[in-house]
Amino acid sequence: EPEVTQTPSHQVTQMGQEVILRCVPISNHLYFYWYRQILGQKVEFLVSFYNNEISEKSEIFDDQFSVERPDGSNFTLKIRSTKLEDSAMYFCASSPSPGTGVGNEQFFGPGTRLTVL
Amino acid sequence: DQQVKQNSPSLSVQEGRISILNCDYTNSMFDYFLWYKKYPAEGPTFLISISSIKDKNEDGRFTVFLNKSAKHLSLHIVPSQPGDSAVYFCAASAGTTSGTYKYIFGTGTRLKVLA
Repeated sequence: EPEVTQTPSHQVTQMGQEVILRCVPISNHLYFYWYRQILGQKVEFLVSFYNNEISEKSEIFDDQFSVERPDGSNFTLKIRSTKLEDSAMYFCASSPSPGTGVGNEQFFGPGTRLTVL
Repeated sequence: DQQVKQNSPSLSVQEGRISILNCDYTNSMFDYFLWYKKYPAEGPTFLISISSIKDKNEDGRFTVFLNKSAKHLSLHIVPSQPGDSAVYFCAASAGTTSGTYKYIFGTGTRLKVLA
């Protein structure tokens, strides 16, 4: 069964450092997303991406964040200068289309746990 | 801004009995609702969904009920099995100005099915 994969599973970094979280969406999906979950809190939408550009972003997704699809398979989230409050689980998701309905659900990867010291 | 709420952080049920997980929402523009299950160290796994034009959707042991007037949905698991023990997230789909959809998640309910 196709699945979304993410690397690394755990990333530890020092405050102020740049990190890149990587995702490989399901191969025939066209829409990609990043969500995050701070420990003990709910999963929050960060950004959606289609056709090599950002479709929508939340207020959390400020200038420190960027996304990129550098090749035909990877989808990355970059945090330029990490802060302590960026510590969270980051989930990548993909869907075949942007709509709702059966078959359009977003499929999530296992997540990357980011720890900022 | 808690547009999707799951007021029960945890629920314990005996194996074989019914599990009922509840979710309330505030935004009447939500048009699609989903339930995800999450095991530790894994991402959310899609379980079942329902469109706002329906009031019930069933898939095997899982049934989701939607009460639009009350802005309430629930997930019923019958019969509950120990393998169902996980955190269950309710999510609502909100369209965006770009035409894509983002999910608004609740805080989750930890279900424990006791053998």
